[in-house]
Amino acid sequence: AQRVTQPEKLLSVFKGAPVELKCNYSYSGSPELFWYVQYSRQRLQLLLRHISRESIKGFTADLNKGETSFHLKKPFAQEEDSAMYYCALTSGSARQLTFGSGTQLTVLP
Amino acid sequence: EPEVTQTPSHQVTQMGQEVILRCVPISNHLYFYWYRQILGQKVEFLVSFYNNEISEKSEIFDDQFSVERPDGSNFTLKIRSTKLEDSAMYFCASSVNRGNSPLHFGNGTRLTVT
Repeated sequence: AQRVTQPEKLLSVFKGAPVELKCNYSYSGSPELFWYVQYSRQRLQLLLRHISRESIKGFTADLNKGETSFHLKKPFAQEEDSAMYYCALTSGSARQLTFGSGTQLTVLP
Repeated sequence: EPEVTQTPSHQVTQMGQEVILRCVPISNHLYFYWYRQILGQKVEFLVSFYNNEISEKSEIFDDQFSVERPDGSNFTLKIRSTKLEDSAMYFCASSVNRGNSPLHFGNGTRLTVT
């Protein structure tokens, strides 16, 4: 069975500090990994996906198959980054997403 | 930018009553989904729908649940006889295809069963 683990429910950093949101997964095949973000009172929206290897709003995430991790990183956090972040995976032809429990990031001034 | 819209934003119902949650997916999208999130818990997959039939469903999606695309725009989730434990946020999502296109989520409907 596939599973996504986000060990931190809450994470607080100061503005300008680096931030890393951890995500580990378990899946026997080749999953596709995503980060979704939910800002206050807004909908869940895709932040980035590993196959795109892109940087969105300064965030990057590298898939590490050896460690089965897909940690989200940003070198200098901004106050507007405060939000709930969900790591998710989907596999093969199935489009159902398996979500982690989410990490609430608060960037302090 | 086109969005998935869900109505109502909040629905309160009594245990045992039927509820219908409504969604309007993005117009050129072909795959539709329902997810739910019980307060304090993970977002969980319920069902996916394509070409007027269910593609996949989870264990949560039992006989109490049904989905329908009654016309060319709406996608509904019906809960036949609600239970207290059905109280949750229900998210609708859609995607262009089944390949690499991302899911676009609606704002959700908060269902409260009393």
